[in-house]
Amino acid sequence: AQTVTQSQPEMSVQEAETVTLSCTYDTSENNYYLFWYKQPPSRQMILVIRQEAYKQQNATENRFSVNFQKAAKSFSLKISDSQLGDTAMYFCAFMKHDSGANSKLTFGKGITLSVRP
Amino acid sequence: GAGVSQSPRYKVAKRGQDVALRCDPISGHVSLFWYQQALGQGPEFLTYFQNEAQLDKSGLPSDRFFAERPEGSVSTLKIQRTQQEDSAVYLCASSLMGQGWSEAFFGQGTRLTVV
Repeated sequence: AQTVTQSQPEMSVQEAETVTLSCTYDTSENNYYLFWYKQPPSRQMILVIRQEAYKQQNATENRFSVNFQKAAKSFSLKISDSQLGDTAMYFCAFMKHDSGANSKLTFGKGITLSVRP
Repeated sequence: GAGVSQSPRYKVAKRGQDVALRCDPISGHVSLFWYQQALGQGPEFLTYFQNEAQLDKSGLPSDRFFAERPEGSVSTLKIQRTQQEDSAVYLCASSLMGQGWSEAFFGQGTRLTVV
């Protein structure tokens, strides 16, 4: 079974500054995906960024980038130039790669990020 | 539709009542997932459909929970004899493909409160 751990319950950052959200995971799988999802008060989960475990290069998506350390099983999210609209809960998630069927997501407990004006 | 639609948005049930939660996935999406999200927690997997076939129901917490997707489109999650511990947000997600990875799009969930 996989586990995803987000040990910081909440963080706060000043608008325009940079913040890093931490995530560790545990798995015996070798081929998998890692994700960061954003959940605003509307409750709708929105995919922020995806990382494939076999790729050594860290994924980036505009102001969002990850630091993926496979050996350490660490997957942190860096948000640059924070904006007020980034205020939300952020979830780290794991998905086993299964070529035969789609796989479920295993989520961490989440972190509440507040961006201060 | 443009996105995944769930209804109702809010449901209050008396303990012991049966409830039915509906999910309309994005048209043409093969995969459909149900998750349960307790207050202050991350979503937890309940069940997975590939078209009309329920391929994984390992996350359903008890035999009071039942899900179906009879025509491979709309899905219903039914909870019989609701208990207070069933209070949570129930999220539905759909993705285009049935194999490999394709992005999962989530609905806004149904918040169930059992009183």
